[in-house]
Amino acid sequence: DADVTQTPRNRITKTGKRIMLECSQTKGHDRMYWYRQDPGLGLRLIYYSFDVKDINKGEISDGYSVSRQAQAKFSLSLESAIPNQTALYFCATSDFGVKRNTGELFFGEGSRLTVL
Amino acid sequence: LAKTTQPISMDSYEGQEVNITCSHNNIATNDYITWYQQFPSQGPRFIIQGYKTKVTNEVASLFIPADRKSSTLSLPRVSLSDTAVYYCLVGVGIGQAGTALIFGKGTTLSVSS
Repeated sequence: DADVTQTPRNRITKTGKRIMLECSQTKGHDRMYWYRQDPGLGLRLIYYSFDVKDINKGEISDGYSVSRQAQAKFSLSLESAIPNQTALYFCATSDFGVKRNTGELFFGEGSRLTVL
Repeated sequence: LAKTTQPISMDSYEGQEVNITCSHNNIATNDYITWYQQFPSQGPRFIIQGYKTKVTNEVASLFIPADRKSSTLSLPRVSLSDTAVYYCLVGVGIGQAGTALIFGKGTTLSVSS
């Protein structure tokens, strides 16, 4: 089983619908991230969370919201989806602090969202 | 957050050494330099990280000059399977609090036979 699991993997929805993308991890990491990828634009950071009580906006947070329900769960919501939110969304986790580590990001397999 | 600049694309042939350079002129004292590789429809995966001088692992080397305003990822003897997008990130590394990691557009490496 994957350490970082995203659901759904694929979703087609209509403009104006509310969509939630979920991410869960078994790595025990404190830090979780949501990225968006569009062709030719690389990955752009939407939101990130350094622990359950910490939520921060990234580069492109408008139109999105997040919820950190537990250390292992970080959800991304589109309250009213629009076509230009069609993209591949990635969740990632990283460790911090206690152990010597590189701050390496571990990514999920991605959620492909299409908004019609 | 330190901004990075990389070439948009590079071409190579199998068996050649490939060097991808990244500029990060406003790198901060605590920032580490990390490189990731991404295949289509997959999440990026960590390749190598360094702070200064040279770091080598089983897949790549990372060269960082004394001023740390640039870095070069070196891939020895590339194969077709090295065709991917490579991202240079500048952010906080081992045991440090602070900034999240910002990806740029990356460098698309195409390896031909």
